[in-house]
Amino acid sequence: GAVVSQHPSRVICKSGTSVKIECRSLDFQATTMFWYRQFPKKSLMLMATSNEGSKATYEQGVEKDKFLINHASLTLSTLTVTSAHPEDSSFYICSARGTSGGKGGYNEQFFGPGTRLTVL
Amino acid sequence: AQSVSQHNHHVILSEAASLELGCNYSYGGTVNLFWYVQYPGQHLQLLLKYFSGDPLVKGIKGFEAEFIKSKFSFNLRKPSVQWSDTAEYFCAVNLSGGYNKLIFGAGTRLAVHP
Repeated sequence: GAVVSQHPSRVICKSGTSVKIECRSLDFQATTMFWYRQFPKKSLMLMATSNEGSKATYEQGVEKDKFLINHASLTLSTLTVTSAHPEDSSFYICSARGTSGGKGGYNEQFFGPGTRLTVL
Repeated sequence: AQSVSQHNHHVILSEAASLELGCNYSYGGTVNLFWYVQYPGQHLQLLLKYFSGDPLVKGIKGFEAEFIKSKFSFNLRKPSVQWSDTAEYFCAVNLSGGYNKLIFGAGTRLAVHP
C-alpha cells in the first residue's frame, strides 16, 4: 500500500509554545490529507480536511486559529498546534487520500503512524 | 448526521475461537466501508474494504466482512483467532463518490489469550 509518514513521532513541549507536525505521502501525490485526533481508548475524531493549495476545512468544534493547517504541496501537509496547553495533549494522526487511477483511488485513505504530543 | 456503531467495546477470546465484530452505520446513500486494525503501539492498517460488487469481502490475515445493505451492517469475522490478532479494530464509512470524510466507529478492543 501507499506510505504516509509523520514527523515527529513524539514531542513534549511546554505550555504556551507552538508545535508543528508534518505529514508526508512518500510514494504518491495526495491532493487531500486529513488530520485526526485520537483520545486514549477512544476512536479517531476528524479535525480537518486539507486540500493542496487551498484553505483547510475544519470540523465543527475545532478551533482553526489553534490548529493551523498548511498543505503547500502534493506530498506535504503540516499541523501547527499554537499556544499549546495540557488539554491539547493527544495522539494526532494524519491520512492521505489516494488519487484517481492511483493507489487506492479517491475512496481510500492511507494513515500515518501518528504523533504523540505531550504538553507540560 | 452519519454515524457508525460498533456494538462490542471489549472482546476477550481464547486462541482458535471464532470472532465476529459488529458494525452498523446510519446513512441511506451509497457508502464505502472499511475495517482498520491498530496493533499495540502501531498505526492504523487497512484490513479490508468494500466499494461495490460481492458483498462478502476477504481481507488480510484471514479476516472477512459481509456487507448487508438491508441491515446497514458490515460485520467483521475470522473463523479462528490467534494471539497476534490482539489489537483494536475500527469500522469506518465514507460516502461513495462524494466528500471523502471517513467516519469511524468507537473501536473494539480484542484480547486473545493463548
